[in-house]
Amino acid sequence: NAGVTQTPKFRVLKTGQSMTLLCAQDMNHEYMYWYRQDPGMGLRLIHYSVGEGTTAKGEVPDGYNVSRLKKQNFLLGLESAAPSQTSVYFCASSPHILAKNIQYFGAGTRLSVL
Amino acid sequence: GQNIDQPTEMTATEGAIVQINCTYQTSGFNGLFWYQQHAGEAPTFLSYNVLDGLEEKGRFSSFLSRSKGYSYLLLKELQMKDSASYLCAVRDEETGANNLFFGTGTRLTVIP
Repeated sequence: NAGVTQTPKFRVLKTGQSMTLLCAQDMNHEYMYWYRQDPGMGLRLIHYSVGEGTTAKGEVPDGYNVSRLKKQNFLLGLESAAPSQTSVYFCASSPHILAKNIQYFGAGTRLSVL
Repeated sequence: GQNIDQPTEMTATEGAIVQINCTYQTSGFNGLFWYQQHAGEAPTFLSYNVLDGLEEKGRFSSFLSRSKGYSYLLLKELQMKDSASYLCAVRDEETGANNLFFGTGTRLTVIP
């Protein structure tokens, strides 16, 4: 019963380094999302995907790229990390059927950029 | 755009009842969700309202008034494990995937 799995759980980067966060879900959900959560800001949507091979921008997409090559995976990339990207990142997935459009979240990745 | 407001912090006593309010303004409202998030953990789904009225699920109930842009989460018979943040989120049908927009969360502390 894995649900949504995020790797890594923790990471420390230096300014300018790059990294990729991986999200995997085993619920056969069509929709997947990447959020960041900062103190006093709530969860904010970075990018989302409505299906394999498709991605779209959310509220705060700048500095991030995403890819969804397989239905079960959604990757979030930081090409050149900045201290402003220090945050907790959550991945979520949901079925596309509106009545069951509940989002299920992974455990999060805590990223610090020095 | 979307605007969601909820109190930042609340404190309540074990065994009591607490009501957490959420007001919202959104252009394409299509449902309101409540999530629970314990410190350092992922948000977990609690309840969902799309029509006006009360939805009850055990010790938790959620109410929605679409005309007032208002919802509340009611927690009964509070337990220490209910200490957590409670996130109000509205679903917007004008976005590509019926995206959710979250409030900043209400941190509830349950005291003995």
